[in-house]
Amino acid sequence: DIQMTQSPSTLPASVGDSVTITCRASQSISTWLAWYQQKPGKAPKLLIYKASNLERGVPSRFSGSGSGTEFTLTISSLQPDDFAAYYCQQYDTYSWTFGQGTKVEVK
Amino acid sequence: QVQLQESGPGLVKSLQTLSLTCTVSGGSVSSANFYWSWIRQHPHEGLEWIGRVSYGGTTYYNPSLKGRVSMSLDTSKNRFSLRLTSVTAADTAVYFCASSEMTYYGSGIYRPQGFDSWGQGTLVTVSS
Repeated sequence: DIQMTQSPSTLPASVGDSVTITCRASQSISTWLAWYQQKPGKAPKLLIYKASNLERGVPSRFSGSGSGTEFTLTISSLQPDDFAAYYCQQYDTYSWTFGQGTKVEVK
Repeated sequence: QVQLQESGPGLVKSLQTLSLTCTVSGGSVSSANFYWSWIRQHPHEGLEWIGRVSYGGTTYYNPSLKGRVSMSLDTSKNRFSLRLTSVTAADTAVYFCASSEMTYYGSGIYRPQGFDSWGQGTLVTVSS
């Protein structure tokens, strides 16, 4: 199985900050990576697919980059609605896996 | 946009079988353009992919659950199902169903775009 490792686990930030979350794969997954946002008590929401493609309706302050084994999700100018948990997920192989998550919290 | 709704018992006794159903609207479980997945989330923890089922009933499961999990399609009712046998307290979680629409990337490559639609989730508690 491909292991996905996110860092940091917790990210204290303020409104207006630019924040970056990193996701590393245990082997190359090309660009078959998605990012999700999850708020408490809710289902996750797809933000980014194929590493850098913005899902319809997702604000342009969200961006993704990377290929191979290292990927990043950047939120430029953090908004109050962006305080949430974020997960990466690989879908390169038959068995799909998530990262352990990063919680963006109020500093 | 596909919409998904989970249903099933919220309480299952230890060592019995957990059975959940996901009803689909806005898409067809018979379509070759979708994967249909189950994902769970233990209390205060991250997301765990359980497995998926697709057109024709093809399945792939998380190796950590293999042997206990099965999934199937019910094309007559446009829904798909999860069965997890011999449950323990470690199977207590919120269970989500989700769909992945396939996209053609050229050169014969069809891939999903991640989990683009989700059910609201249903809490299943395993009791002793």
